[in-house]
Amino acid sequence: EVQLVESGGGVVRPGGSLRLSCAASGFTFDDYGISWFRQPPGKGLEWISTIYLNGGRTSYADSVKGRFTISRDNGKNSLYLQMNSLRADDTALYYCAREFWFRQLFPASDIWGQGTMVTVSS
Amino acid sequence: DVQMTQSPSSLSASVGDRVTITCRASQSISNYLNWYQQKPGQAPKLLIYAASSFASVVPSRFSGSGSGTDFTLSISSLQPEDIATYYCQQTYNTPRTTFGQGTKLEIK
Repeated sequence: EVQLVESGGGVVRPGGSLRLSCAASGFTFDDYGISWFRQPPGKGLEWISTIYLNGGRTSYADSVKGRFTISRDNGKNSLYLQMNSLRADDTALYYCAREFWFRQLFPASDIWGQGTMVTVSS
Repeated sequence: DVQMTQSPSSLSASVGDRVTITCRASQSISNYLNWYQQKPGQAPKLLIYAASSFASVVPSRFSGSGSGTDFTLSISSLQPEDIATYYCQQTYNTPRTTFGQGTKLEIK
């Protein structure tokens, strides 16, 4: 079964750090780019970061640039998100998702994990 | 960044009704437009890519259309299992992708 499973969420104080993980199974992990998205409680979806095949290329949303770092370990079929200098507005459910290029032209997130909750509160 | 605006924000309809959700981009995005369905307590599920192509096994009552700045997602005959929030997503300037604010669909 093709699957992504996030872990590492929790409650952290403002200014603190947290590392999220995303474990992949059922597909050739290093053939795909993987993204992180987040969804604050009761709100919509926000893209925050993407890492491509061998990790050589990464991209970040302005809201997290300089504070979050995405990385991957293809040998462990795992994706990571190191989150530093956390703020209250980082509180959200964090999803990892596989990036698939339909017809080699049209990108979309075709497989999503169930998410891991991050709460930033004093 | 490309801004995506969905309307309506919420919609109440009866079983069997035809339902249409619209999504407008702040600039032309050709057909780099995806639709996702998110049921309560679940992760988003990709329904449609490239504005009108089905990503996987999607009931034929769903359809997508549009190009440029204006797009629609239609359900020809609403079923109880379609209750969800629907999001459009532009991938014109991937990976800096953006979503609409979502349309919450309820049964009347």
